[in-house]
Amino acid sequence: SQQGEEDPQALSIQEGENATMNCSYKTSINNLQWYRQNSGRGLVHLILIRSNEREKHSGRLRVTLDTSKKSSSLLITASRAADTASYFCATGFGNEKLTFGTGTRLTIIP
Amino acid sequence: EPEVTQTPSHQVTQMGQEVILRCVPISNHLYFYWYRQILGQKVEFLVSFYNNEISEKSEIFDDQFSVERPDGSNFTLKIRSTKLEDSAMYFCASSGQNSGNTIYFGEGSWLTVV
Repeated sequence: SQQGEEDPQALSIQEGENATMNCSYKTSINNLQWYRQNSGRGLVHLILIRSNEREKHSGRLRVTLDTSKKSSSLLITASRAADTASYFCATGFGNEKLTFGTGTRLTIIP
Repeated sequence: EPEVTQTPSHQVTQMGQEVILRCVPISNHLYFYWYRQILGQKVEFLVSFYNNEISEKSEIFDDQFSVERPDGSNFTLKIRSTKLEDSAMYFCASSGQNSGNTIYFGEGSWLTVV
């Protein structure tokens, strides 16, 4: 079994709709980070949520963390075509290595 | 905003050749990492580096791989004798106490072994 599994694997929505992606993990963490990756490009950091936090906002992004269920969700509100990308959750401990999930490929239909 | 920079962006090399991938982490960061992503697969941790030594490495990071911080700004990944299965995107990353554990990634170096 793998640390960090996102679902759905792929999601297509109309521009303007909200997109929700989920991430589950298996081991203890002290932070969870979400990244975006445009095709063939680098990983762009979106948001970090610590294990003692339940919800965090950044612009159109809202991240929740439920440590009892070992799960997190990323909500993108009012989606735009430029949000088309793959989204990954990654779990970690302090400055130690990150363990990445398999990613959700999000397509925003104009 | 400060960023991690990597060179080259793309390199094609013959199997068996040595490759050096270069990275300039964010200034004042103390933790440095290499990850790789084989096309269509997950991002995988290779190695972390702190206080001028390897702090952790994965099973992928075998004797063919090495890392160096030759000066105060560069961080390199060397693959001694490349194999076809080393073809991947290699990401450098860095973090520091001033980043609150956020790990910042570079744009990556595409390595194609032929």
